[in-house]
Amino acid sequence: NAGVMQNPRHLVRRRGQEARLRCSPMKGHSHVYWYRQLPEEGLKFMVYLQKENIIDESGMPKERFSAEFPKEGPSILRIQQVVRGDSAAYFCASSLTGTRTEAFFGQGTRLTVV
Amino acid sequence: AQSVTQLGSHVSVSEGALVLLRCNYSSSVPPYLFWYVQYPNQGLQLLLKYTSAATLVKGINGFEAEFKKSETSFHLTKPSAHMSDAAEYFCAVSDQGGAQKLVFGQGTRLTINP
Repeated sequence: NAGVMQNPRHLVRRRGQEARLRCSPMKGHSHVYWYRQLPEEGLKFMVYLQKENIIDESGMPKERFSAEFPKEGPSILRIQQVVRGDSAAYFCASSLTGTRTEAFFGQGTRLTVV
Repeated sequence: AQSVTQLGSHVSVSEGALVLLRCNYSSSVPPYLFWYVQYPNQGLQLLLKYTSAATLVKGINGFEAEFKKSETSFHLTKPSAHMSDAAEYFCAVSDQGGAQKLVFGQGTRLTINP
């Protein structure tokens, strides 16, 4: 049973480009969470999704960031018009249910904006 | 609002010595508390979690943590450090027991000296 798969592992984008980060949850998991880890900081919650629904996006920046988790395929975190401050590690986690179950984290995507 | 404070961004101990990583939390509701470990360029792995059962929680790799409500603490300990314990450790709190909106501390980098 493969764990949470994130790709790419490393992504370099120039300022103004778009970044697309993908997350395939563990088999059978329908709850996905995205977290961002800025350099020298802990992880900060961004968004919680179930299949085809955004449950909680209270941690998402108001502009340029969006997330989806379609019926088929991986969850996508999209960052439009990236800026240097978006450089960070983005982690995806998945769980079997939304509460009282362990979150399994992927290895992260390290985004560098140049 | 919930918050987590990890005292000491860097901790260094000798191999075989006691490991003590400190975590204090703030929560307006009974908290669920977690310790995660992150090895270099890896995702987070759950070490242990407190979910209102026993106050002394045993986790993987010989780690344990004790929930002390009066001190609002959830410190992580291991009696004898191994070189393989060198990693970054994150304490996190949640009000929902699972993966939703984990609030992380800033992390403590543990170094093991031979």
